[in-house]
Amino acid sequence: SQQGEEDPQALSIQEGENATMNCSYKTSINNLQWYRQNSGRGLVHLILIRSNEREKHSGRLRVTLDTSKKSSSLLITASRAADTASYFCASGLGSGAGSYQLTFGKGTKLSVIP
Amino acid sequence: GAVVSQHPSWVICKSGTSVKIECRSLDFQATTMFWYRQFPKQSLMLMATSNEGSKATYEQGVEKDKFLINHASLTLSTLTVTSAHPEDSSFYICSANRRGSYEQYFGPGTRLTVT
Repeated sequence: SQQGEEDPQALSIQEGENATMNCSYKTSINNLQWYRQNSGRGLVHLILIRSNEREKHSGRLRVTLDTSKKSSSLLITASRAADTASYFCASGLGSGAGSYQLTFGKGTKLSVIP
Repeated sequence: GAVVSQHPSWVICKSGTSVKIECRSLDFQATTMFWYRQFPKQSLMLMATSNEGSKATYEQGVEKDKFLINHASLTLSTLTVTSAHPEDSSFYICSANRRGSYEQYFGPGTRLTVT
């Protein structure tokens, strides 16, 4: 499977600022998901956006999806020190033999400075 | 909630021995479970997909005789690293789907060190 790309690879911001992370993928998808991983821990699901959706909100999170450009973005508003983590996008085909498999991007390491 | 546990959280073993890692869905039935491997500062690489009661599907390049996966029930999957070598040292993470859901719920991971 081919991984998507995320940029930036690392992002350092001050508490209270907004953080934007971008993700690109290579194949047609059914859904795109964002996950968060604290150092040395498992992943936590943040949000899922379907291929027929363009934008989705969840609390301080805003996700956009542009299927024509095969890209997505995750915006975290009013960041907090506790948001410090690595963020991964993951694309799902939603059909075929691997319908529930996810292909993960390389991740963005976010540091929020108090 | 949808909680997935893994055991052990970390293990150190000697070269040539085998190690079993358990992945359990605690409060839901997992129709599909996934096993990933993650090297330091890198992304997750899918190793295999397992469905309850059937053989696991391994990704290209993953040796099925070395990484034995058993999905014995709707709440339990195990990964056994056989004849472990130092290059098998890694962070192994499992995840699980609820029936009909695309979201994956991840275990906390198991750090394996082979000496």
